[in-house]
Amino acid sequence: KQEVTQIPAALSVPEGENLVLNCSFTDSAIYNLQWFRQDPGKGLTSLLLIQSSQREQTSGRLNASLDKSSGRSTLYIAASQPGDSATYLCAPYSGGYQKVTFGTGTKLQVIP
Amino acid sequence: DTAVSQTPKYLVTQMGNDKSIKCEQNLGHDTMYWYKQDSKKFLKIMFSYNNKELIINETVPNRFSPKSPDKAHLNLHINSLELGDSAVYFCASSRTSSGEQFFGPGTRLTVL
Repeated sequence: KQEVTQIPAALSVPEGENLVLNCSFTDSAIYNLQWFRQDPGKGLTSLLLIQSSQREQTSGRLNASLDKSSGRSTLYIAASQPGDSATYLCAPYSGGYQKVTFGTGTKLQVIP
Repeated sequence: DTAVSQTPKYLVTQMGNDKSIKCEQNLGHDTMYWYKQDSKKFLKIMFSYNNKELIINETVPNRFSPKSPDKAHLNLHINSLELGDSAVYFCASSRTSSGEQFFGPGTRLTVL
């Protein structure tokens, strides 16, 4: 059974800082891993999808890395902005008809 | 041109009532999901359908009955609503080959 842990649970940083969000998963036999953001009272927005064969994936100020063998992924946010304030969720997927398992999330607050 | 849509957005009802939530996706995906997000913001899968066939059923009370009339629609009917059913319910879809999930805006269900 896949278990996903995200550390820290909450993070508060001043605007402009670079930051790293961590995701750990217990079953390394994954097909891919997806990072989402969720704004209060809203749905989930997909940020990045990183395939099991990839080490990194980048979109703008976001960079996700994946170390499948050690069961870890990180989301790096460069030059954080107040608009980045949200909860960030990671979700590894084992492929086929397997389910996606969500982490508990990291709640990020970027202070102007 | 919303990708994944849900109706209604809010649902307030009395204990014991029966209610339905509808979901539609126009992404051409073959797999659709229902998730429940509880008050602690933990997101847990309830059901998954692939090409109208149930493939994941995560120990959900049988008061919850999903129905997929076609690949683009997945509805959720809940009988005899209980206080503990209060949560936000999210619909999502994906292509089985990629596993990348796209979420609807959510339905906030409040049982009084």
